[in-house]
Amino acid sequence: KAGVTQTPRYLIKTRGQQVTLSCSPISGHRSVSWYQQTPGQGLQFLFEYFSETQRNKGNFPGRFSGRQFSNSRSEMNVSTLELGDSALYLCASSFEGKSTEAFFGQGTRLTVV
Amino acid sequence: GNSVTQMEGPVTLSEEAFLTINCTYTATGYPSLFWYVQYPGEGLQLLLKATKADDKGSNKGFEATYRKETTSFHLEKGSVQVSDSAVYFCALSDRNNDMRFGAGTRLTVKP
Repeated sequence: KAGVTQTPRYLIKTRGQQVTLSCSPISGHRSVSWYQQTPGQGLQFLFEYFSETQRNKGNFPGRFSGRQFSNSRSEMNVSTLELGDSALYLCASSFEGKSTEAFFGQGTRLTVV
Repeated sequence: GNSVTQMEGPVTLSEEAFLTINCTYTATGYPSLFWYVQYPGEGLQLLLKATKADDKGSNKGFEATYRKETTSFHLEKGSVQVSDSAVYFCALSDRNNDMRFGAGTRLTVKP
């Protein structure tokens, strides 16, 4: 079955703009989590959605938001982009989300200039 | 809250050397423990997992044992190959799906 698909793979945006990233989970998976990966901070948890509801949230400012649709696809949005938002954004899906393994997409590389 | 601490890298080994990457965790209850691997330009891939105390996860020659008494899940491989060069992440997930990752350890294996 198809893996986790993230689009786009690469993105260049200007400071102050906003961006929307998309994640299609593995078929049947209802939990989708988002992570930010940077060389300095490592892998940081943004939020998790389960059945269209945000279930967990990391320690990021309100400029970072997300949503999940009825087909479990998820989007994350970053408004008023800053240079420090440049990172690899990873999406992971899991079946129920209860201590089960997560399957990761290849990520979206966002560069803010 | 839950947290994972893993050995700082980078780690550089010669081919066929023994590998250990240390990982300890802090969590309430009985989390599941994972090792993920990230190859250049890729997302994370599950390498192995263990869901209860004394379980041993293994895959591709890598092993890790869930040690509740020492809250550890150290990754080991008896003989590394150049193709094992990657970044390795230790992670835990509790029953609320609160998943936490360690900082990652970059491994380079030289021929």
